[in-house]
Amino acid sequence: KAGVTQTPRYLIKTRGQQVTLSCSPISGHRSVSWYQQTPGQGLQFLFEYFSETQRNKGNFPGRFSGRQFSNSRSEMNVSTLELGDSALYLCASSLEQGQGTEAFFGQGTRLTVV
Amino acid sequence: GDSVTQMEGPVTLSEEAFLTINCTYTATGYPSLFWYVQYPGEGLQLLLKATKADDKGSNKGFEATYRKETTSFHLEKGSVQVSDSAVYFCALSDRAAGNKLTFGGGTRVLVKP
Repeated sequence: KAGVTQTPRYLIKTRGQQVTLSCSPISGHRSVSWYQQTPGQGLQFLFEYFSETQRNKGNFPGRFSGRQFSNSRSEMNVSTLELGDSALYLCASSLEQGQGTEAFFGQGTRLTVV
Repeated sequence: GDSVTQMEGPVTLSEEAFLTINCTYTATGYPSLFWYVQYPGEGLQLLLKATKADDKGSNKGFEATYRKETTSFHLEKGSVQVSDSAVYFCALSDRAAGNKLTFGGGTRVLVKP
């Protein structure tokens, strides 16, 4: 079956702009989580959506937002981009929500802010 | 809050050598523990997991045992191959936090022929 699909794979944006990243989870998975990966901070949790509801949020400013649609596809938006937002953004989908549930990751979207 | 600490890399080994990557954690609850691997240019893949104390996760020759008394989940492989070169991440999820994963900093492993 198809894996987690993230689009686009690469993005270059200018400071102050906004950007929207997309994630299509594995068919049947209702949980989608987003992570930011940078060399300095490592992998940091942004937020999780489950059945269109945000269930958990990490420690990121309000410029970072997300949503989930009825087909479980998710988008994350970053407004007023800063140079420090340059990172690999990873999406992960899970079948359900619970202890020990496996997360399946997409290949990520590499965002460069110039 | 929850946190994961793993040994810093890079770890450079010769083929067929023994690999150990140390991982310790701090959690307020009773977490599940994971090892993920990231190959160049790709996302993360689950390598193995354990959900309760003394559980041993294993996959592709890798093993890790959930040690509650030492809050550790060390990754081991008896004989590495060049194809094992990758970045390895230890992670935990807490029941109260849904599917949120808290990751360690990652350990880059380079296996030379």
